[in-house]
Amino acid sequence: KNEVEQSPQNLTAQEGEFITINCSYSVGISALHWLQQHPGGGIVSLFMLSSGKKKHGRLIATINIQEKHSSLHITASHPRDSAVYICASIIQGAQKLVFGQGTRLTINP
Amino acid sequence: DSGVTQTPKHLITATGQRVTLRCSPRSGDLSVYWYQQSLDQGLQFLIQYYNGEERAKGNILERFSAQQFPDLHSELNLSSLELGDSALYFCASSTSRDRGYNEQFFGPGTRLTVL
Repeated sequence: KNEVEQSPQNLTAQEGEFITINCSYSVGISALHWLQQHPGGGIVSLFMLSSGKKKHGRLIATINIQEKHSSLHITASHPRDSAVYICASIIQGAQKLVFGQGTRLTINP
Repeated sequence: DSGVTQTPKHLITATGQRVTLRCSPRSGDLSVYWYQQSLDQGLQFLIQYYNGEERAKGNILERFSAQQFPDLHSELNLSSLELGDSALYFCASSTSRDRGYNEQFFGPGTRLTVL
């Protein structure tokens, strides 16, 4: 079993819809990254969080340490949000990232 | 633009060959991380260097090695290449100036194709 599980694996929605991507992890972590990977392959760090909630534009990330769960929300989704979204946990006491398998998001106009 | 640069962008080579991938971290970052992204395995951590010294090791094959130079750039050497080594190789950097975790910033990646 992967230490980091994401759901759904694939998500297709219409422009304007509210999007939620979930991430669950099985061991204690010190922080969690949400990453975005566009079709060209480049990876962009969206958020790093260790508690509570962070917001950047239309993106919101939340984390519940007790439940070992994080969510990434996109409000008013747009076709340019189409990408693979990856959550990655930072295991307590380690510097390395452990990645989920990614969620492929497609937003249709 | 994350400030992390990687060269080359694309590399096509044959089985059995050796290649070197290069990464320059963001200005001021002391840590460099290497990751492999293949179709069947997803993203995997390979190795981390901090200020010239190896700090953490992940799923790195013995045929692979890395180093970080005094100017903080890093190289990942892949030898005796196999078809299965075809992947995207990313490097990332962070400040790592304190004991806690510092956010990592990713380079654009090197796409390696082994024929």
